Amino acid sequence: NAGVTQTPKFQVLKTGQSMTLQCAQDMNHNSMYWYRQDPGMGLRLIYYSASEGTTDKGEVPNGYNVSRLNKREFSLRLESAAPSQTSVYFCASNILLGTGELFFGEGSRLTVL
Amino acid sequence: DAKTTQPPSMDCAEGRAANLPCNHSTISGNEYVYWYRQIHSQGPQYIIHGLKNNETNEMASLIITEDRKSSTLILPHATLRDTAVYYCIVRVAVWGNQFYFGTGTSLTVIP
Repeated sequence: NAGVTQTPKFQVLKTGQSMTLQCAQDMNHNSMYWYRQDPGMGLRLIYYSASEGTTDKGEVPNGYNVSRLNKREFSLRLESAAPSQTSVYFCASNILLGTGELFFGEGSRLTVL
Repeated sequence: DAKTTQPPSMDCAEGRAANLPCNHSTISGNEYVYWYRQIHSQGPQYIIHGLKNNETNEMASLIITEDRKSSTLILPHATLRDTAVYYCIVRVAVWGNQFYFGTGTSLTVIP
């Protein structure tokens, strides 16, 4: 099992360009999350999806859109990238029931020039 | 979910116990205490969680005070590989509920 897989791992964009970060999990988890982490900072929740077909805003949703494509996949889209969105993005997932340990991907490093 | 307060940084000698405190004075009765750690720039890794009772697993022990307003994560014999940022999170264990991470404690294990 691969766990949580994120693509791409690295990306450089110019201001105003758009891109989509992909996340897939093979653990049959129901809930999926997108976080961002700026240098020297903790993780901040952007969006999450409690289950297939639902998405909700987290702490810092502005400038992002998400799609829960199916149970396995949860994508994060930047429609018009800004330098303030330079960050490391982490996708995570957890099971439906119980206390639910979070499983994280390896991260995607995005630089917006 | 309740907020948590952690010291920004701590040092610990290799082989000694590392005791990482977390204050969660506004915790509700149905909120669990979770601990995660993040080594270098990897994705965070689950360590342990608990509700009221002390918990122990192969990685660490979690001590929660009787009034549940604070907790301590104990790494019994710290190694250099335990150098990481440790996050304390309190959260209602409800389906689809969010995990909010703060800035954590940066633990440095010194040889």
